[in-house]
Amino acid sequence: GAGVSQSPSNKVTEKGKDVELRCDPISGHTALYWYRQSLGQGLEFLIYFQGNSAPDKSGLPSDRFSAERTGGSVSTLTIQRTQQEDSAVYLCASSETGVYADTQYFGPGTRLTVL
Amino acid sequence: QKEVEQNSGPLSVPEGAIASLNCTYSDRVSQSFFWYRQYSGKSPELIMSIYSNGDKEDGRFTAQLNKASQYVSLLIRDSQPSDSATYLCASRSGGNQFYFGTGTSLTVIP
Repeated sequence: GAGVSQSPSNKVTEKGKDVELRCDPISGHTALYWYRQSLGQGLEFLIYFQGNSAPDKSGLPSDRFSAERTGGSVSTLTIQRTQQEDSAVYLCASSETGVYADTQYFGPGTRLTVL
Repeated sequence: QKEVEQNSGPLSVPEGAIASLNCTYSDRVSQSFFWYRQYSGKSPELIMSIYSNGDKEDGRFTAQLNKASQYVSLLIRDSQPSDSATYLCASRSGGNQFYFGTGTSLTVIP
């Protein structure tokens, strides 16, 4: 079946512009995560959605970052007034709940470059 | 202090040898531990999860967990060039967050 998809695969923007990154999780997966991976770094947790519950936003680095998940499926990560330090690969992952909740399936990522 | 620490490497082993990857974690209440493999330019993929002290084997891979010492390791037997990748260790304490290490780069030399 289809895996997690993300778009765009690459995004180059100018400092100060807003960007939107999209994630389509695996159908039926209720949990959705956003991570950021900078060069040579591990994955940094950003935000977590679980069904219709309030998202866990504890990993968002600043108020320039926000995310929403519509209809419990597609999610959009928005970065306002982008800065050069926002350049990274943004990864989305989804998982089921219950005993399979620990198995995350990652999308291919969006490589964001802020000039 | 980072939640999960790994030696960034690079680690090089000859083909057919055992590769040993290590990870330590700081949160004593962490319950679940994972090893992901990430090929260059690709996204991580889960290869092993471990929840209890001791060893867990899956094919050529063995994960080892020692909660008293707060370390997790991954052994890859009969290493193949296709095992060359970055290996990420991760933990979860029961909440929503997974904590990832920075990864260890492994190169298997033919």
